[in-house]
Amino acid sequence: AQKVTQAQTEISVVEKEDVTLDCVYETRDTTYYLFWYKQPPSGELVFLIRRNSFDEQNEISGRYSWNFQKSTSSFNFTITASQVVDSAVYFCALSDLIQGAQKLVFGQGTRLTINP
Amino acid sequence: NAGVMQNPRHLVRRRGQEARLRCSPMKGHSHVYWYRQLPEEGLKFMVYLQKENIIDESGMPKERFSAEFPKEGPSILRIQQVVRGDSAAYFCASYGGGSYEQYFGPGTRLTVT
Repeated sequence: AQKVTQAQTEISVVEKEDVTLDCVYETRDTTYYLFWYKQPPSGELVFLIRRNSFDEQNEISGRYSWNFQKSTSSFNFTITASQVVDSAVYFCALSDLIQGAQKLVFGQGTRLTINP
Repeated sequence: NAGVMQNPRHLVRRRGQEARLRCSPMKGHSHVYWYRQLPEEGLKFMVYLQKENIIDESGMPKERFSAEFPKEGPSILRIQQVVRGDSAAYFCASYGGGSYEQYFGPGTRLTVT
């Protein structure tokens, strides 16, 4: 069965610090997608990234970067020079491919608090 | 996630009443997923529908919950005889057009009193 583990329930750092959110997944599929979503206090889900299982290149988008390592089944997310606006709950998710489309299996989330 | 509409955004029901949650997918999308987020938890898959068909309802509670996605109109998640444990945020997501990205709506927050 598909499973996503975000071992860090809560993280609190001071503004401008770098912070890494861990994500470990389990799947028997050879083709899958990994996602990160942000859920700010307002409650909506904001899509951050989708990564194909065949693409292990790390990705950087501004202050955000992602480290995908199939060997350790991990897809970690780093925020560099954190800002108060980064405070949110972050979810890692794994696709479960069915009939050409996907249902997402989410981790429990990591609540990130950036203190001024 | 622009384009996926959910209404109402907030819904309050007393125990025993019915709750109807609506989801209008993005234009051109014919696949809809419903997820439930209990307080302080991650999202859990409930049901996957295509137009007029339920494809996967493995995450739906066996009783009181039903979903539909008619040929015309929004997808409806219906909860009969609500109980306090149904209080949660219900998100729908739509998919289509060859993309593997699911676009989430803003969610409906159901409170059962």
